[in-house]
Amino acid sequence: DSGVTQTPKHLITATGQRVTLRCSPRSGDLSVYWYQQSLDQGLQFLIQYYNGEERAKGNILERFSAQQFPDLHSELNLSSLELGDSALYFCASSASGNQETQYFGPGTRLLVL
Amino acid sequence: ILNVEQSPQSLHVQEGDSTNFTCSFPSSNFYALHWYRWETAKSPEALFVMTLNGDEKKKGRISATLNTKEGYSYLYIKGSQPEDSATYLCASNAGKSTFGDGTTLTVKP
Repeated sequence: DSGVTQTPKHLITATGQRVTLRCSPRSGDLSVYWYQQSLDQGLQFLIQYYNGEERAKGNILERFSAQQFPDLHSELNLSSLELGDSALYFCASSASGNQETQYFGPGTRLLVL
Repeated sequence: ILNVEQSPQSLHVQEGDSTNFTCSFPSSNFYALHWYRWETAKSPEALFVMTLNGDEKKKGRISATLNTKEGYSYLYIKGSQPEDSATYLCASNAGKSTFGDGTTLTVKP
């Protein structure tokens, strides 16, 4: 158990819908990262937050947004969902920055029908 | 090198064999190189974070080296065991995390 929690574990929804994925980092960690793993693809970095502020942005679509709240939990919002958004979404946390170990949550598996 | 590349893509070894894989990454704007172990149906588990040229890290039978000038890292597993079967990912952080596609290791008893 990494100490990072993600909810829900599984999510099934329809195209055009909007969903919110939630992540609680390890106690004391200030950085949260979001990753997407689509079928037959590797881990794609989406976005990183540090202490409530966006720190780095990767291949995140404009239909996707994220935020980190004062209690350091983070949410990833996916809107106008398409079939291709079906993937495993991981959250990871680290104490502060990029030179530190990232601890991964169990992931949320999203299926868009 | 523009992206993080790992080789080989997959590897099958016998129990007791020693093995190694390579991670190549852009050497400019280097921050850190991470190695992860990813078992099927689980989430990636951190093995090492390496930041300095010439770094060597060890955890049990697994070790890693880092060359930031030429942009590569090696991961070594000594005396492979079936429980070492997993995908080994490396990631380079130059402002943002970029993962390789991994090397999938299968250790046959």
